Amino acid sequence: AQTVTQSQPEMSVQEAETVTLSCTYDTSESDYYLFWYKQPPSRQMILVIRQEAYKQQNATENRFSVNFQKAAKSFSLKISDSQLGDAAMYFCAYRDLFGNEKLTFGTGTRLTIIP
Amino acid sequence: DTAVSQTPKYLVTQMGNDKSIKCEQNLGHDTMYWYKQDSKKFLKIMFSYNNKELIINETVPNRFSPKSPDKAHLNLHINSLELGDSAVYFCASSQDRVNYGYTFGSGTRLTVV
Repeated sequence: AQTVTQSQPEMSVQEAETVTLSCTYDTSESDYYLFWYKQPPSRQMILVIRQEAYKQQNATENRFSVNFQKAAKSFSLKISDSQLGDAAMYFCAYRDLFGNEKLTFGTGTRLTIIP
Repeated sequence: DTAVSQTPKYLVTQMGNDKSIKCEQNLGHDTMYWYKQDSKKFLKIMFSYNNKELIINETVPNRFSPKSPDKAHLNLHINSLELGDSAVYFCASSQDRVNYGYTFGSGTRLTVV
């Protein structure tokens, strides 16, 4: 079964600085999808960024980018120019390319922004 | 125009009661899901339906029963509620074979007293 590990329960960063959240996963598949979701105090789950495993190029969305290392099964999220609104729980998630489309989540990292 | 809407947002009930949570999506997605988020914020899938057909049924007590009257609706009925059922329940939907991730509802916080 696929597993997703986030080894940093909590992280903090100074406003306007850069922070990287770690995620590793385990799978025997060669093609799959990876995601980062943000959950602010409002508890809404918001898709931040996604990556297809068959694409070598790292995904970017404005201030958010990933470092996808397929061989190492690592998928870290970099947030540049951190803003107060970035404070939230961040979840890494995995999904098979085919099959039942289930999302498997990591345990989350709580990100605090220091003004 | 809420894409995935859940009702109610908050539900407080006594042990032993039966309750339902409703979910509707207006995105035309093929698959809908129920996830449970526990007190430690861990998210785990409970069920998924694809075009009204049950696809995923994880290890969930049979007190939990999903019902999908049509592709746009997936309701969750819980019988004989227990203290351990207290959690946030998320409904979500996705389009088959398209990597747009899930669209989540805003969650229902269930508190059993």
